Amino acid sequence: DQQVKQNSPSLSVQEGRISILNCDYTNSMFDYFLWYKKYPAEGPTFLISISSIKDKNEDGRFTVFLNKSAKHLSLHIVPSQPGDSAVYFCAAGASGGAGSYQLTFGKGTKLSVIP
Amino acid sequence: SQTIHQWPATLVQPVGSPLSLECTVEGTSNPNLYWYRQAAGRGLQLLFYSVGIGQISSEVPQNLSASRPQDRQFILSSKKLLLSDSGFYLCAWSEGRYNQPQHFGDGTRLSIL
Repeated sequence: DQQVKQNSPSLSVQEGRISILNCDYTNSMFDYFLWYKKYPAEGPTFLISISSIKDKNEDGRFTVFLNKSAKHLSLHIVPSQPGDSAVYFCAAGASGGAGSYQLTFGKGTKLSVIP
Repeated sequence: SQTIHQWPATLVQPVGSPLSLECTVEGTSNPNLYWYRQAAGRGLQLLFYSVGIGQISSEVPQNLSASRPQDRQFILSSKKLLLSDSGFYLCAWSEGRYNQPQHFGDGTRLSIL
């Protein structure tokens, strides 16, 4: 049972335009959400997170939106740059109780930013 | 600042051989530590996590084991590797509080022949 889903395995965007990466989750206990960026042969790098008490968090060119009623979050990258080309993973966690430090990851979306 | 070291970067092992992957964290105390595996075309699968020395929680039944002999050292082991153990193994750490991001090492590419 995949609790965190990234339904688009790949996405291509022109340099300078907006990249929108989407993620859906099924577990209503999730209250903490993160986005990671991964280059080949490297570990994932933490990008940005959001708590369930917020619906938006912004850090420079990166903005994460959370829609709790739809169990959906998205990452917006504006403007997109060629160096943003990587695999992006969505992750979710549930605080409190057993396994409260664990994260559940999606399968990733490969973003290609075309110069 | 905190850093995480994971080695080796690549490893080729025959079926049935033992395994030991090591991970160390610097610049923090009493971190939570994690071992993940990423199989080809799949997401990150949590294998083990630890909230303190000698405390190991296993998420997936397998022929792998983990140990935490020191506060900032996490070891992934196997007595006999299987072909299905091939993959990309990642170590991560986080602060020992709720809602903290995990920070990953650069991973070990393990190939079983």
